[in-house]
Amino acid sequence: KAGVTQTPRYLIKTRGQQVTLSCSPISGHRSVSWYQQTPGQGLQFLFEYFSETQRNKGNFPGRFSGRQFSNSRSEMNVSTLELGDSALYLCASSPAWHRGTEAFFGQGTRLTVV
Amino acid sequence: DAKTTQPTSMDCAEGRAANLPCNHSTISGNEYVYWYRQIHSQGPQYIIHGLKNNETNEMASLIITEDRKSSTLILPHATLRDTAVYYCIVRLHRDNYGQNFVFGPGTRLSVLP
Repeated sequence: KAGVTQTPRYLIKTRGQQVTLSCSPISGHRSVSWYQQTPGQGLQFLFEYFSETQRNKGNFPGRFSGRQFSNSRSEMNVSTLELGDSALYLCASSPAWHRGTEAFFGQGTRLTVV
Repeated sequence: DAKTTQPTSMDCAEGRAANLPCNHSTISGNEYVYWYRQIHSQGPQYIIHGLKNNETNEMASLIITEDRKSSTLILPHATLRDTAVYYCIVRLHRDNYGQNFVFGPGTRLSVLP
């Protein structure tokens, strides 16, 4: 069974540009969450999608947005990139909403803003 | 979700058991304890989770104290590949959503040859 797939693995962008990252969850998983990891702030929750609807959102500016498609694949977008957006962006998928469900993470997309 | 406290770092000899403690004194009755680990520059890897009973799987054992205020993750025979940052997370489950995990700084485990 394939794991969570994130593309691209590495990305270099210039300040002011926008970027779109993609996440394909494990087959059958309907929940997708996104996290940002930086050396200074650690792992921080961005947002979470289930059935194409954003269910939960972390404390990030509106430049960070996402969406989920009917096949559960998800994308996140960052507009007007800043140097501080350089980070490892991680996607996690979960199968269902039963109590005690674990999340499985992808390998991440490493974004560098120059 | 309740806050957790973990030691910043620990060492363990290869082949020995690694016991990683976690304090979660404000845990509520319906919050689960999760453990993840992250090997350098990879995504976090799920290890184990539990509510109040001890749990064991092919990777590790989770021992939760009777009052649920602390827990210990046990890697029975640590190998060099177990060197990673280990995160203890306490999480409330909401029925329709709530897959967000609050990661602290974790414990950096170094397995030494």
